[in-house]
Amino acid sequence: GQNIDQPTEMTATEGAIVQINCTYQTSGFNGLFWYQQHAGEAPTFLSYNVLDGLEEKGRFSSFLSRSKGYSYLLLKELQMKDSASYLCAVSSNDYKLSFGAGTTVTVRA
Amino acid sequence: GAVVSQHPSRVICKSGTSVKIECRSLDFQATTMFWYRQFPKQSLMLMATSNEGSKATYEQGVEKDKFLINHASLTLSTLTVTSAHPEDSSFYICSARGERDWYEQYFGPGTRLTVT
Repeated sequence: GQNIDQPTEMTATEGAIVQINCTYQTSGFNGLFWYQQHAGEAPTFLSYNVLDGLEEKGRFSSFLSRSKGYSYLLLKELQMKDSASYLCAVSSNDYKLSFGAGTTVTVRA
Repeated sequence: GAVVSQHPSRVICKSGTSVKIECRSLDFQATTMFWYRQFPKQSLMLMATSNEGSKATYEQGVEKDKFLINHASLTLSTLTVTSAHPEDSSFYICSARGERDWYEQYFGPGTRLTVT
């Protein structure tokens, strides 16, 4: 089975940095994804990690440690439009995605 | 590139009727399509996986006779909710995976189903 944990909510100030942690226990591993989802909309792809280390893409970075079953998404220079739910998802051996419950990030002015 | 559409975006139906939701990959051939369901303030739950020309594989606890999936071509999959009940009201999202970027799923915009 799959077990993916991430915090329920986080609040940060505009311009600040927020780190969303995700821990997972899965049967088989083919990579970890981060998605952004605004209310009532479909998820949009942010990042994909399959090897250990940090992947940087503009204001967003994602880190993976396979031995620890741990990942984080780092959001820098927060903007109001970054207020959304962030979903951690793990791809198993059959390439199916299992999603965490999502972390709602609220950016305050 | 890699655009997935869904139709309709919203649908309201009466209890006991059936509703069909279409998922199309617009600019690539989708060898595999996935159907998810998302209840309010919850995450996406995979319902089934469909490969073109073969029967869908359903996740545990999902009734295959209630949620009929057809993947008739490499660009179209349909989900039919049969004999809908109010508890089927949810946000249904499809995703598609192509041959090139095997690891990535491209999500459709979702369909909001309300059963009255």
